[in-house]
Amino acid sequence: KQEVTQIPAALSVPEGENLVLNCSFTDSAIYNLQWFRQDPGKGLTSLLLIQSSQREQTSGRLNASLDKSSGRSTLYIAASQPGDSATYLCAVIKAAGNKLTFGGGTRVLVKP
Amino acid sequence: SAVISQKPSRDICQRGTSLTIQCQVDSQVTMMFWYRQQPGQSLTLIATANQGSEATYESGFVIDKFPISRPNLTFSTLTVSNMSPEDSSIYLCSALGGALLGAFFGQGTRLTVV
Repeated sequence: KQEVTQIPAALSVPEGENLVLNCSFTDSAIYNLQWFRQDPGKGLTSLLLIQSSQREQTSGRLNASLDKSSGRSTLYIAASQPGDSATYLCAVIKAAGNKLTFGGGTRVLVKP
Repeated sequence: SAVISQKPSRDICQRGTSLTIQCQVDSQVTMMFWYRQQPGQSLTLIATANQGSEATYESGFVIDKFPISRPNLTFSTLTVSNMSPEDSSIYLCSALGGALLGAFFGQGTRLTVV
């Protein structure tokens, strides 16, 4: 059974510092991995999707890497801003059309 | 990317009543899912909503408590039946948009049962 872990559970940084969020998964046979952002009481917004054949994806200040062999993904957010404060979740899909398995999330606070 | 409209966005309900949550996708999708997120927790999958057949429920969730409809490829409903305060959560619907889009979510329904 796939298990997804995100460490740390919470993170507080001063504005301008780079953020590094970690996601690990136990079964390397994944179809893709997706990073989401969730603001309090809201739905999830997709940030980046990495297909199993890819090593990384970039969008603006965000960069996500994937190392399937070690069961790890890292989300980097450069030059953090207070607006980046949110909970970040990673999720993996085992095969096309399958359900997602979520990590517990990392709650981020960027202090002005 | 595709968009899901979910409603209501929030509700406060009396114990013992039922609430139906609706999700409308702006394009046809094969897979739709319903999740529950209890306060301070990650998402827990309730069921996969299958078009034209009964939903597939995860362990710990039953059809009598969480009946689901999926009449076509763009719409689904989740009903939370005979509610108790323990049902107070955020409920989210999701759909898969294919290999390049991945999963996308509705805005969530914040349910409080009093």
